[in-house]
Amino acid sequence: EPEVTQTPSHQVTQMGQEVILRCVPISNHLYFYWYRQILGQKVEFLVSFYNNEISEKSEIFDDQFSVERPDGSNFTLKIRSTKLEDSAMYFCASRRDTGGLETQYFGPGTRLLVL
Amino acid sequence: GESVGLHLPTLSVQEGDNSIINCAYSNSASDYFIWYKQESGKGPQFIIDIRSNMDKRQGQRVTVLLNKTVKHLSLQIAATQPGDSAVYFCAENGGATNKLIFGTGTLLAVQP
Repeated sequence: EPEVTQTPSHQVTQMGQEVILRCVPISNHLYFYWYRQILGQKVEFLVSFYNNEISEKSEIFDDQFSVERPDGSNFTLKIRSTKLEDSAMYFCASRRDTGGLETQYFGPGTRLLVL
Repeated sequence: GESVGLHLPTLSVQEGDNSIINCAYSNSASDYFIWYKQESGKGPQFIIDIRSNMDKRQGQRVTVLLNKTVKHLSLQIAATQPGDSAVYFCAENGGATNKLIFGTGTLLAVQP
């Protein structure tokens, strides 16, 4: 069964450093999302991406964040200058687009720790 | 703003019993709802979904009920097993991009 994959599973970085989180969505999916989950809290929407551009972003997704689909398979989230409060699990999700309401499928996540 | 919230943060049940996890949502315009299961250290895993034109939907051992009058969603798990132990989130479809708005989660603990 196809699934969303994410790398790395864990990332430790120093405050102020740049990190890139990578995702490979399910191959026939067209909508892509990033969410984050601070430890013990609910999953929060960051950004949605469709047709090679951001379709919606949350208040969390400020100028320090960017997303890219550099090729036909990868979808990346970059944090330019990490802050302590960026420590969280980051989940990538994808869904098909058949014109109706459809489930998003999530990857296993990247645990980011900013020191 | 709109939000989705859960009534019970922790639910402890005996193996073999039925479990009911509840969720309240505030956006009456939401038209799609999903239940996810999240095991420790893993991503949310799809369990079952329901559209707003339905009141009930059944899957394997799981049933989702939607009460639009009181904006309430529930997940029923029949014959709960130890492998069902996880955090369960309800989520609603939020807007044109179908972003998901998650509730705070309920920890289901199944006692053997």
